[in-house]
Amino acid sequence: KQEVTQIPAALSVPEGENLVLNCSFTDSAIYNLQWFRQDPGKGLTSLLLIQSSQREQTSGRLNASLDKSSGRSTLYIAASQPGDSATYLCAVRPTPYSGAGSYQLTFGKGTKLSVIP
Amino acid sequence: DAGITQSPRYKITETGRQVTLMCHQTWSHSYMFWYRQDLGHGLRLIYYSAAADITDKGEVPDGYVVSRSKTENFPLTLESATRSQTSVYFCASTWSPAGVGNNEQFFGPGTRLTVL
Repeated sequence: KQEVTQIPAALSVPEGENLVLNCSFTDSAIYNLQWFRQDPGKGLTSLLLIQSSQREQTSGRLNASLDKSSGRSTLYIAASQPGDSATYLCAVRPTPYSGAGSYQLTFGKGTKLSVIP
Repeated sequence: DAGITQSPRYKITETGRQVTLMCHQTWSHSYMFWYRQDLGHGLRLIYYSAAADITDKGEVPDGYVVSRSKTENFPLTLESATRSQTSVYFCASTWSPAGVGNNEQFFGPGTRLTVL
């Protein structure tokens, strides 16, 4: 059974700092990995999706990397801002052609980020 | 507006009552999902659907029923609510065909359910 771990569970940094959030998974047979952001009391917003064949994806100040063989992904946030404060979740999708269940995502429990002004 | 919506956003009910949570998406995505989010457990899949009239169990299906008569709707019913079903429920969707494209999952805003 796939397990996804995010460490640390919480992180507090001063504004302007560059930071890295970590995600690890136990089964490397993934199709893609998706990073989400969740604000308190709100739904999940998709940030980046990395296919298993890719090494990284970038969107603005965000850069996500994937090392499938070692079961790790990182989300790099450059020049952090107070508006980046949220919980960040990673989720993995198993390889396709295994039926409808291949669309199921397995989530980590998230890292709660606080950016202090 | 295009997107995925859930209703109600907040619901308080009593133990033993039947409750239905609604999910509607306007993208014509084939695949739809129901997750619950609890402290200490993260997001867990309850049920999913590959297309109209095709549904299957996820990780925590007990006590829940789903149906999918139309592609755009995927209601989740708690047949006899229990306190352990107090949670935040999220609906999500993604497109097909299987194995092609990014298949990014998009989430609704959630329904916060309290069972007294």
